[in-house]
Amino acid sequence: GQSLEQPSEVTAVEGAIVQINCTYQTSGFYGLSWYQQHDGGAPTFLSYNGLDGLEETGRFSSFLSRSDSYGYLLLQELQMKDSASYFCAAGISGYSTLTFGKGTMLLVSP
Amino acid sequence: DTEVTQTPKHLVMGMTNKKSLKCEQHMGHRAMYWYKQKAKKPPELMFVYSYEKLSINESVPSRFSPECPNSSLLNLHLHALQPEDSALYLCASSQVNGAEAFFGQGTRLTVV
Repeated sequence: GQSLEQPSEVTAVEGAIVQINCTYQTSGFYGLSWYQQHDGGAPTFLSYNGLDGLEETGRFSSFLSRSDSYGYLLLQELQMKDSASYFCAAGISGYSTLTFGKGTMLLVSP
Repeated sequence: DTEVTQTPKHLVMGMTNKKSLKCEQHMGHRAMYWYKQKAKKPPELMFVYSYEKLSINESVPSRFSPECPNSSLLNLHLHALQPEDSALYLCASSQVNGAEAFFGQGTRLTVV
């Protein structure tokens, strides 16, 4: 089976930096990706880590440590529009599948 | 083109109706997915097609029937649904390794 754990809610203020952690237990783990979903919308892809280390995409960065079964999403220079749910999702080697964590609701206040 | 198109956006159906949800992508992805999402919950995987063959069926009731006519199209046929099947149904596509999935805007389904 697969399980991904992430905090249910994180709060921060505009301009701050926030880190959303994800720990996983997945047989045949292939890579970790991150998605943003606003209320009423569909998930949109943010970042993917197939290898250990940091991936940077503008204000968003993602990190993976396979030895620790752990990853995180880092959001910098927070804006009000970043208030959304953030999901980590794991892929499995040899299969086309994507299993989502329970999601972290990020609330950004002025 | 990085778009996944789903139709319809909204659907209300009775428990005796038959309807179909449609999904199309032109990114050359060979993996396509159906997810079900309830409010305040994560997307829940239903079906995966890899190279147009059904590779994963997550114990979904037979009243949901997927179909992949070709590498760009994915359908979900609905029959005799229950009110608890009301949810947002999301289609997604990706490379076969499951990295970087692109989602359609979803079909918000209400069963009455």
